[in-house]
Amino acid sequence: GESVGLHLPTLSVQEGDNSIINCAYSNSASDYFIWYKQESGKGPQFIIDIRSNMDKRQGQRVTVLLNKTVKHLSLQIAATQPGDSAVYFCAARTSGSRLTFGEGTQLTVNP
Amino acid sequence: ETGVTQSPTHLIKTRGQQVTLRCSSQSGHNTVSWYQQALGQGPQFIFQYYREEENGRGNFPPRFSGLQFPNYSSELNVNALELDDSALYLCASTQGGDGYTFGSGTRLTVV
Repeated sequence: GESVGLHLPTLSVQEGDNSIINCAYSNSASDYFIWYKQESGKGPQFIIDIRSNMDKRQGQRVTVLLNKTVKHLSLQIAATQPGDSAVYFCAARTSGSRLTFGEGTQLTVNP
Repeated sequence: ETGVTQSPTHLIKTRGQQVTLRCSSQSGHNTVSWYQQALGQGPQFIFQYYREEENGRGNFPPRFSGLQFPNYSSELNVNALELDDSALYLCASTQGGDGYTFGSGTRLTVV
């Protein structure tokens, strides 16, 4: 099976700072990873994904880093804004197309 | 392009009753999966449907069942509801196993 865990359940940053959210996974067969943002009362919103044959991928203000050696991935958010406040989940795909989620990190951005 | 839509948004049921939740997949997406998200936790995989067949199942009892229709929409049925079934039920769709798009979910409360 797969288990996915986050290093910190909460993260508080100042507006304008960079945020880094970390995640560890257990199954070396995981081949695809996704970061989601979930606001209160809403479903998970896709942020960025990365395949296991890559170690870095960038989007608008976000970067995902994947270290397969230590089974670790991170989400970096540049110039964090109050609208970035939410719970962030990493998810790993293993057998078939099922996603295994971590427990989430609550990001709070202070003005 | 429409996203994933779920209905109803909220539902209250009595223990022992049965419930049906509905999901319309994103246009062009032929695979639908269902997740249960308890308060404060990450989503847990229930099962997945592809070409109207269940092709993956998580650790949920048989009273959780589903259907997928020719237009790729899907239903989740839960029989003999228990108090612990209270959760946010999320539907996600994908085409080709990447870029899973989630709906806003159905909040089920069992009393």
